Amino acid sequence: QKEVEQDPGPLSVPEGAIVSLNCTYSNSAFQYFMWYRQYSRKGPELLMYTYSSGNKEDGRFTAQVDKSSKYISLFIRDSQPSDSATYLCAMSDSRETSYDKVIFGPGTSLSVIP
Amino acid sequence: DGGITQSPKYLFRKEGQNVTLSCEQNLNHDAMYWYRQDPGQGLRLIYYSQIVNDFQKGDIAEGYSVSREKKESFPLTVTSAQKNPTAFYLCASSIAYGSLYFGAGTRLSVL
Repeated sequence: QKEVEQDPGPLSVPEGAIVSLNCTYSNSAFQYFMWYRQYSRKGPELLMYTYSSGNKEDGRFTAQVDKSSKYISLFIRDSQPSDSATYLCAMSDSRETSYDKVIFGPGTSLSVIP
Repeated sequence: DGGITQSPKYLFRKEGQNVTLSCEQNLNHDAMYWYRQDPGQGLRLIYYSQIVNDFQKGDIAEGYSVSREKKESFPLTVTSAQKNPTAFYLCASSIAYGSLYFGAGTRLSVL
């Protein structure tokens, strides 16, 4: 079993839809969770960062962590064609000074159709 | 503008050849990283460096080498020992407890 799993998609939704992107993980020690957005042929950029369980909202984006189920989600409201990208989840067990312990998921490809 | 510059965008390697990927940052970040991205797999860490003149192997360092002679620069050499080099290579940098910033990547293919 991989440490972090994501449905690779592709996920295709109409403009304005609510999108749900998910990751499952196996290491119960993970407590720092991140979502990155990666446009085609570009490097990833950080979208959301959360610690432990609960929800965090930033504009149209909501990150949700359920540590009891080892499951994290990213919700996108009122999706736009500009949201079309690959979304990577990432997580680690400590807020260290460097990122060498961070584990990345394989990413979910999202297309928002006008 | 502050950021991370990777060059070239596309690179082709012949059999038995070593190639070097460039990564330069002007963010004044101490830590720098090289990741490899393959379809269907998460980013995998090749090498990282937390200070000048020091670097550590990541999860898949075999067939790769790096140097960190300057804070701004962290070049990656893909040696002929790396038998499956075709991938998208990403350089990143960070400060302690800060976010991870990525470059735009280099796509390496084998001729």
